[in-house]
Amino acid sequence: AQTVTQSQPEMSVQEAETVTLSCTYDTSENNYYLFWYKQPPSRQMILVIRQEAYKQQNATENRFSVNFQKAAKSFSLKISDSQLGDTAMYFCAFMKRGSNSGYALNFGKGTSLLVTP
Amino acid sequence: DSGVTQTPKHLITATGQRVTLRCSPRSGDLSVYWYQQSLDQGLQFLIQYYNGEERAKGNILERFSAQQFPDLHSELNLSSLELGDSALYFCASSGGDSNYGYTFGSGTRLTVV
Repeated sequence: AQTVTQSQPEMSVQEAETVTLSCTYDTSENNYYLFWYKQPPSRQMILVIRQEAYKQQNATENRFSVNFQKAAKSFSLKISDSQLGDTAMYFCAFMKRGSNSGYALNFGKGTSLLVTP
Repeated sequence: DSGVTQTPKHLITATGQRVTLRCSPRSGDLSVYWYQQSLDQGLQFLIQYYNGEERAKGNILERFSAQQFPDLHSELNLSSLELGDSALYFCASSGGDSNYGYTFGSGTRLTVV
């Protein structure tokens, strides 16, 4: 079974600053995907960024980027130029790869991020 | 609108009752997943269906059951409800082994009183 650990229950950052959210995972799989999801107060789950384990290049989506360290099983999320709208719960998630029907996502417990003016 | 539709958005019911939550996946997606989100347990995977067949089970109680119909919509049935079943229930869909993850619905907030 895969486990995902987010060691920071809560974080705070000032507007326009940069913040990094940590995530580690444990797996014996070699092919998998990693994701960061955002859940704002509206409760909607929104995909922020994804990474394929076989790709060494770190994924980037505008102000969001990841630092993927496969050997260390670490997958951190960096948010640059933080905005008030980034205030949300952030979940790191792991998914095995290799089935044409897909696999379940395993989520961490989440990190609550507050962006202050 | 994510393309995944969940109904109802809110549900309040009494202990011991039975409810049905409904999910219509995004057009073209064959896989449907159900998740339970409670304050103390985070997001827990319940069950997956693929093209009408059960594909994987997670931490789903025996009082809970699900099915996926030929038109690919899915229903999650919760029976003999307890106070601890109060949670946000998400449905998500995917196109199978894809790297874009899932598309989530907006959830059903279940309150058991």
